[in-house]
Amino acid sequence: QQQVKQSPQSLIVQKGGIPIINCAYENTAFDYFPWYQQFPGKGPALLIAIRPDVSEKKEGRFTISFNKSAKQFSLHIMDSQPGDSATYFCAARSGNTPLVFGKGTRLSVIA
Amino acid sequence: NAGVTQTPKFQVLKTGQSMTLQCAQDMNHNSMYWYRQDPGMGLRLIYYSASEGTTDKGEVPNGYNVSRLNKREFSLRLESAAPSQTSVYFCASRGPRANGFNYGYTFGSGTRLTVV
Repeated sequence: QQQVKQSPQSLIVQKGGIPIINCAYENTAFDYFPWYQQFPGKGPALLIAIRPDVSEKKEGRFTISFNKSAKQFSLHIMDSQPGDSATYFCAARSGNTPLVFGKGTRLSVIA
Repeated sequence: NAGVTQTPKFQVLKTGQSMTLQCAQDMNHNSMYWYRQDPGMGLRLIYYSASEGTTDKGEVPNGYNVSRLNKREFSLRLESAAPSQTSVYFCASRGPRANGFNYGYTFGSGTRLTVV
């Protein structure tokens, strides 16, 4: 049973567009929701994270929107650039348990 | 400023061979993890160590063993490699703060393993 469902699998947007990546979860005990960014040949790197007591968090051009009642959260990338082309993973955790990851979204930003 | 160091970066094994993937972190983190990454499957947890002296199974532990040698080092062993273990393996550690966020993971750059 997949604990965190991520969509879409791949996404192509034009430079300046706003790609949106969505994740859904079932476990209401999850209390920490990070997003990771991975470039080819590299390990994932923490991008931004949110806790369920807030509905939105912004870090530069990256925004997480969180809907606790729907058990969904999403990543928005404002003014996307070719350098944002990467694979993005959502994840979730309850307490000190290990992170469970979504299957990833491969984003391509074309000029 | 090494962070998490994994060795080797690439390895080709024959079916039935054994090998150990090494991981070391220099951030004084308590928790360490091994994940495997396969196309379309995301990152799946193999084993983890919440603190020195403890290890626990993750989602896909079959065919693997681990050793938390000390606080810095966490190794992953394949006793008898199978083609299904062809994957990219990532080690990660977790501390109170990473990249400006609480409780974030720091990942190594991965080991690309092919079993033929």
